[in-house]
Amino acid sequence: DTEVTQTPKHLVMGMTNKKSLKCEQHMGHRAMYWYKQKAKKPPELMFVYSYEKLSINESVPSRFSPECPNSSLLNLHLHALQPEDSALYLCASSQPRLAGGTSTDTQYFGPGTRLTVL
Amino acid sequence: SQQGEEDPQALSIQEGENATMNCSYKTSINNLQWYRQNSGRGLVHLILIRSNEREKHSGRLRVTLDTSKKSSSLLITASRAADTASYFCATAFTGGFKTIFGAGTRLFVKA
Repeated sequence: DTEVTQTPKHLVMGMTNKKSLKCEQHMGHRAMYWYKQKAKKPPELMFVYSYEKLSINESVPSRFSPECPNSSLLNLHLHALQPEDSALYLCASSQPRLAGGTSTDTQYFGPGTRLTVL
Repeated sequence: SQQGEEDPQALSIQEGENATMNCSYKTSINNLQWYRQNSGRGLVHLILIRSNEREKHSGRLRVTLDTSKKSSSLLITASRAADTASYFCATAFTGGFKTIFGAGTRLFVKA
């Protein structure tokens, strides 16, 4: 099974709402990622979890809060978002190439959640 | 700016022709990957080339890597309408998980 699933597919929320994006993989990967992608732009890395610990936070505003409850699940909690946060949010996973995980190879992406903030 | 820069930004060709996309990067890398993205969907991994490799093939895909010039190219031979998509290079750094995507090339293959 080489699938990464993301729910919901589409999400519309107001600036005062609290919502969560979910990502799941069953490939045994120990690195999971959140990316943000605006239209006609490349994905931009937001967070990386390695062995369930936050490894990278690319100076993302605190209104985005990641969570990795276990090795298969990754959540992104959203609160008080702005209209400019509207984008496609992509989750990915990979197997760290070295034991202890300090580099990565192929990333497997989910289909994304299309978020619209009103 | 983005680690990977790609050209051309957009490419329109006829079915059966070859398509070549180029990617340049700025710092030392562990590997370079190419991904395809159909409109508004997730990315699909195409091919990975490590820093000690110079060329790699996978089906109709050929990737080259020139670490002295910090550049890579992706060649799609005998293109098909189904190859219409955006193509991104992504560079992974030694010693970390950070992967940076290039700006992408939008390929349109006319039937």
